[in-house]
Amino acid sequence: AQTVTQSQPEMSVQEAETVTLSCTYDTSESDYYLFWYKQPPSRQMILVIRQEAYKQQNATENRFSVNFQKAAKSFSLKISDSQLGDAAMYFCAYRYSFGNEKLTFGTGTRLTIIP
Amino acid sequence: GAVVSQHPSWVICKSGTSVKIECRSLDFQATTMFWYRQFPKQSLMLMATSNEGSKATYEQGVEKDKFLINHASLTLSTLTVTSAHPEDSSFYICSARDLGLADQKTTYEQYFGPGTRLTVT
Repeated sequence: AQTVTQSQPEMSVQEAETVTLSCTYDTSESDYYLFWYKQPPSRQMILVIRQEAYKQQNATENRFSVNFQKAAKSFSLKISDSQLGDAAMYFCAYRYSFGNEKLTFGTGTRLTIIP
Repeated sequence: GAVVSQHPSWVICKSGTSVKIECRSLDFQATTMFWYRQFPKQSLMLMATSNEGSKATYEQGVEKDKFLINHASLTLSTLTVTSAHPEDSSFYICSARDLGLADQKTTYEQYFGPGTRLTVT
């Protein structure tokens, strides 16, 4: 079974600084997707970024980028120029590419932005 | 972008009663919808996968007779919590996947509803 581990329950960063959230996963598959979701106080899940395992290039979305290390099964999220609106719970998630599309979530990291 | 709605956004019910939560895909058709449960300060736990026109697939440990799921159309799935008890109080989130496959690879991410807070007194 696939597992996703987020070892940082809480993180904080000064506004405008950069922060990196860690995620590791375990799978025997070679073709899969990895995601970072943001859950603000409203509880609405928002997709931040997606990475396809067969792509070597790290995904980027504006201030958000990932460091995908397939061999190490590591998938960290870097947030640059942190803003107050970035404060939220961040969940790392895994999904197999074929057939069953279940998302497996990590336990989450609560990010606090310090003004 | 794709929008998924849930109704109600919050509900309070008495112990022993049943409550129905609706999940709708507003601007796309969803053959597959997912129901999650989230306890305070915890992650999302998948309860079941809902497929249009067929029976839902429940995760291990989820009572299918207690959490009834119906996916009667391509835009609507419902979760009914039967004979609710205080321990069923939680935040329930649905998500929906757009129809379509690319070379047998499911390339579409799930779109999440805003969630329903259920409190059983």
